[in-house]
Amino acid sequence: DAKTTQPPSMDCAEGRAANLPCNHSTISGNEYVYWYRQIHSQGPQYIIHGLKNNETNEMASLIITEDRKSSTLILPHATLRDTAVYYCIVRVFFNKFYFGSGTKLNVKP
Amino acid sequence: SAVISQKPSRDICQRGTSLTIQCQVDSQVTMMFWYRQQPGQSLTLIATANQGSEATYESGFVIDKFPISRPNLTFSTLTVSNMSPEDSSIYLCSVEDRGSSYEQYFGPGTRLTVT
Repeated sequence: DAKTTQPPSMDCAEGRAANLPCNHSTISGNEYVYWYRQIHSQGPQYIIHGLKNNETNEMASLIITEDRKSSTLILPHATLRDTAVYYCIVRVFFNKFYFGSGTKLNVKP
Repeated sequence: SAVISQKPSRDICQRGTSLTIQCQVDSQVTMMFWYRQQPGQSLTLIATANQGSEATYESGFVIDKFPISRPNLTFSTLTVSNMSPEDSSIYLCSVEDRGSSYEQYFGPGTRLTVT
């Protein structure tokens, strides 16, 4: 079962930062947090992952709270092409991914 | 990153028949996964397929309904057997990239409609 909860939807103005929250209060000490997005029922696309420290790559930043019970994905300058469903996933034993319901991000002009 | 292809990309099938979905990856991988995404829903893990061993199924999924083959390190098939309209879904395979912290790469999916 998914170990994450996310808001069902969020709006963001184009050019603004999009901050997508995720709760994973039952996460274990060695379990990573991954973020993926899915556009128009295509295969999910990897965005970023982390364990404890904040992470940044060319797509996004990941902020993980010190107690690791929640995290935030930040898209620094959202564009219309960032409209998608964003999934926060905790990778569990045998490296399995159990997807939660995700957040539908609507980027508006 | 791994490049994954799936065949067919979509199909319309009659109730009671079976469909085999192929998943091909451009590099050798140890673990492959199969997911189902029902209309308007999130992804649900069906099974994990390691080369050289039997697939491991998640709760609610059985081998008789979803037999899986994994003949080598670049290929896997998922069969949806004795289909009913409730099997209408997108079926996706993914592979694990152990060289990149175990992230998974997903195929484009197979859209199945059962009439």
